[in-house]
Amino acid sequence: DGGITQSPKYLFRKEGQNVTLSCEQNLNHDAMYWYRQDPGQGLRLIYYSQIVNDFQKGDIAEGYSVSREKKESFPLTVTSAQKNPTAFYLCASRVAGGHHNEQFFGPGTRLTVL
Amino acid sequence: AQSVSQHNHHVILSEAASLELGCNYSYGGTVNLFWYVQYPGQHLQLLLKYFSGDPLVKGIKGFEAEFIKSKFSFNLRKPSVQWSDTAEYFCAVSGGTSYGKLTFGQGTILTVHP
Repeated sequence: DGGITQSPKYLFRKEGQNVTLSCEQNLNHDAMYWYRQDPGQGLRLIYYSQIVNDFQKGDIAEGYSVSREKKESFPLTVTSAQKNPTAFYLCASRVAGGHHNEQFFGPGTRLTVL
Repeated sequence: AQSVSQHNHHVILSEAASLELGCNYSYGGTVNLFWYVQYPGQHLQLLLKYFSGDPLVKGIKGFEAEFIKSKFSFNLRKPSVQWSDTAEYFCAVSGGTSYGKLTFGQGTILTVHP
């Protein structure tokens, strides 16, 4: 089955700890994205990557970091510098190129800071 | 910068009622427009998209949307909703040199009563 997997589904973290969210895709997509979803605010872009070993900040990158060492993987680290990290995090991928190519989304990770 | 506005935060309908969800965007160039749906407990998935041609686009599950360029709008419609349409709906736009990045609206929660 082709698709995007995110793990874990639920994650709890103490304040001051860094935590890494996993995102893997087997769709052979070049581009990958991380969004944060908060109630009433839609999805906001954190980071994106068009190609391996390259990534750019999105609209709300502060307090987050990413890496793209493999085409299939785009992990997101939520650092202790993120002021309000409790949220639902969604990973997506798409075929690079035309703007009309839609993004495909993973099931998400719900992060709660205790 | 792109922005998307969805007019209704929560819409409540009875089965068989007609649905129209408003979406307006701001962007001066060529845009690609999307409606995504998030059913309870499921992945965000594409309902339909517009990138060129006929401004009336049809999607899955009987949904359609009309792109009105002069009004910067891309409203979602369905003639007769079902209980299974209960979900959150997101309008999104990409365009220009955005590298396929999506800007999402705030989302509209649709509740359909049997």
